[in-house]
Amino acid sequence: GAVVSQHPSWVICKSGTSVKIECRSLDFQATTMFWYRQFPKQSLMLMATSNEGSKATYEQGVEKDKFLINHASLTLSTLTVTSAHPEDSSFYICSARADALGGNQPQHFGDGTRLSIL
Amino acid sequence: AQSVTQLDSHVSVSEGTPVLLRCNYSSSYSPSLFWYVQHPNKGLQLLLKYTSAATLVKGINGFEAEFKKSETSFHLTKPSAHMSDAAEYFCVVTLRSGGSNYKLTFGKGTLLTVNP
Repeated sequence: GAVVSQHPSWVICKSGTSVKIECRSLDFQATTMFWYRQFPKQSLMLMATSNEGSKATYEQGVEKDKFLINHASLTLSTLTVTSAHPEDSSFYICSARADALGGNQPQHFGDGTRLSIL
Repeated sequence: AQSVTQLDSHVSVSEGTPVLLRCNYSSSYSPSLFWYVQHPNKGLQLLLKYTSAATLVKGINGFEAEFKKSETSFHLTKPSAHMSDAAEYFCVVTLRSGGSNYKLTFGKGTLLTVNP
């Protein structure tokens, strides 16, 4: 159980385009979803936390207008990288948590999306 | 503030020998602790979690970890390494950040290599 599906797994696109990444919880309802960014050989950096039906909470230094997050249902959150540039190239990972089951539930992670901007 | 320190950035073992990945934490509250594993170009998979029940926690793939409050440690062990265990391992502590919005605080990771 507790499967999180992330799509696409790999994206290569031209500078200036927008890219949407989907994160779905397949067998549980995810009241809270998280988006992380990971640079090579480094740990995960939390970008934002989203709760279903409300606006995302962004971490300090993360541009809200650059990284648009939508969490419209209990099983789907999307991250849109707008007007992507080479410096946005990275590995993006989402995770989901079923808060309705009580406190300190583990986060379940998707397989990540490798974004390469040319 | 809460923090996690993974004491080794890289651990190398031979197949069939024991694995020890060290993790120390600091927390103002009683923490929940997790170990996650990440294989190349993949997301993170939960190995095990400690949430104030038994201090010795058994996880998947033969891994286990012991919560030692007096030492503020949560080291990950496995009696016999397998080639498929080669991966990056993250020790994680929960951080309460306003209301019920629990966040994870990640260690910097330990790369485990397994030699034949």
